[in-house]
Amino acid sequence: QKEVEQNSGPLSVPEGAIASLNCTYSDRGSQSFFWYRQYSGKSPELIMSIYSNGDKEDGRFTAQLNKASQYVSLLIRDSQPSDSATYLCAVAIGANNLFFGTGTRLTVIP
Amino acid sequence: EPEVTQTPSHQVTQMGQEVILRCVPISNHLYFYWYRQILGQKVEFLVSFYNNEISEKSEIFDDQFSVERPDGSNFTLKIRSTKLEDSAMYFCASSEMGASEQYFGPGTRLTVT
Repeated sequence: QKEVEQNSGPLSVPEGAIASLNCTYSDRGSQSFFWYRQYSGKSPELIMSIYSNGDKEDGRFTAQLNKASQYVSLLIRDSQPSDSATYLCAVAIGANNLFFGTGTRLTVIP
Repeated sequence: EPEVTQTPSHQVTQMGQEVILRCVPISNHLYFYWYRQILGQKVEFLVSFYNNEISEKSEIFDDQFSVERPDGSNFTLKIRSTKLEDSAMYFCASSEMGASEQYFGPGTRLTVT
């Protein structure tokens, strides 16, 4: 059974702080990892992709991958109220389909 | 910036009726997908499509579902005889290559009464 686990939250951080979102996955064959942001009633919006161990930075976002621990995380620096959303971890297993976690709801408090 | 589009944004249908959901993927993308999200639940994979055929499908994608690329731009999902439990948001997505970044459309909210 392929599982992607996330803490459902809610996670509350003050404006300007670092938000840390975590995700674990069960299938060691997983090759590609993605973070999506989903506002209420909207579709998933791709934030980051990561394919190899280590860190990947894009603006205020840093994705971290540790395949040995089957763990992927997303750090959001200088959090803004507009970052308040549900963050979805998605894992590609095989060629074509994504398995999603249930998402972590983030609230950034002004 | 290119984006995936979907129509209609909201579809209401009666149980047992057929519905067709439409998508226009990003023009240079080769892989197309359908996902669904039941209210309050996680996004679930339905089917992937490449080179004019299904490449993978989930257990959800049973004989009531079909996909088609009727022309060079549209990608459709048909549900032959809708059930109450088919009520969900249906998202189309596309990617340049397999296992690469997938971009989602705005979704179609399907309500089966």
